Amino acid sequence: KAGVTQTPRYLIKTRGQQVTLSCSPISGHRSVSWYQQTPGQGLQFLFEYFSETQRNKGNFPGRFSGRQFSNSRSEMNVSTLELGDSALYLCASSLGASGGANVLTFGAGSRLTVL
Amino acid sequence: KQEVTQIPAALSVPEGENLVLNCSFTDSAIYNLQWFRQDPGKGLTSLLLIQSSQREQTSGRLNASLDKSSGRSTLYIAASQPGDSATYLCAVRQGSGGGADGLTFGKGTHLIIQP
Repeated sequence: KAGVTQTPRYLIKTRGQQVTLSCSPISGHRSVSWYQQTPGQGLQFLFEYFSETQRNKGNFPGRFSGRQFSNSRSEMNVSTLELGDSALYLCASSLGASGGANVLTFGAGSRLTVL
Repeated sequence: KQEVTQIPAALSVPEGENLVLNCSFTDSAIYNLQWFRQDPGKGLTSLLLIQSSQREQTSGRLNASLDKSSGRSTLYIAASQPGDSATYLCAVRQGSGGGADGLTFGKGTHLIIQP
């Protein structure tokens, strides 16, 4: 059974550019959530999607956006990149919506470096 | 705002010892608490999930307890092995309004098991 797949694994961008990250959840999982991990702030919740609808959103500026497709694959986009956006972006999927006993399975992450 | 604290930040012990990692959270209105491990350069692996109505969960050499009223959880690792070396993260999922929020993570405990 394939795990959560994130692409690309590594990428380098310059300030002002935009980036799109992709996440393919485990087959059958309908919930996808995104997290940002930095050495200073640790892991922070970005947003969660379930059945193509955004259910929750963390405290990030509007430059961070996402969407989920009918096959549950998800993308997140960051526009007008800043140096502080350099981070490991992690995607996680679960069978159902958030809450209860839904265990999250994380992907290996996409490491973004902004120069 | 929920805050999660993990103590100690780092721990180094010889192989074979039993050890306890601590996690505390400020708001007891949680749906569940999860423990993860993260190996260098990789995503997170879920270890144990404790629902708010439960007191503990066990998996192999791992035992996690939850005291919601005092805002504390512990992860007990028995007979530690070098392969247990990793960063251990505690995360709580809190409910609000119409649904559960994303996970709030602690900064983690970096564990080294000396052979």
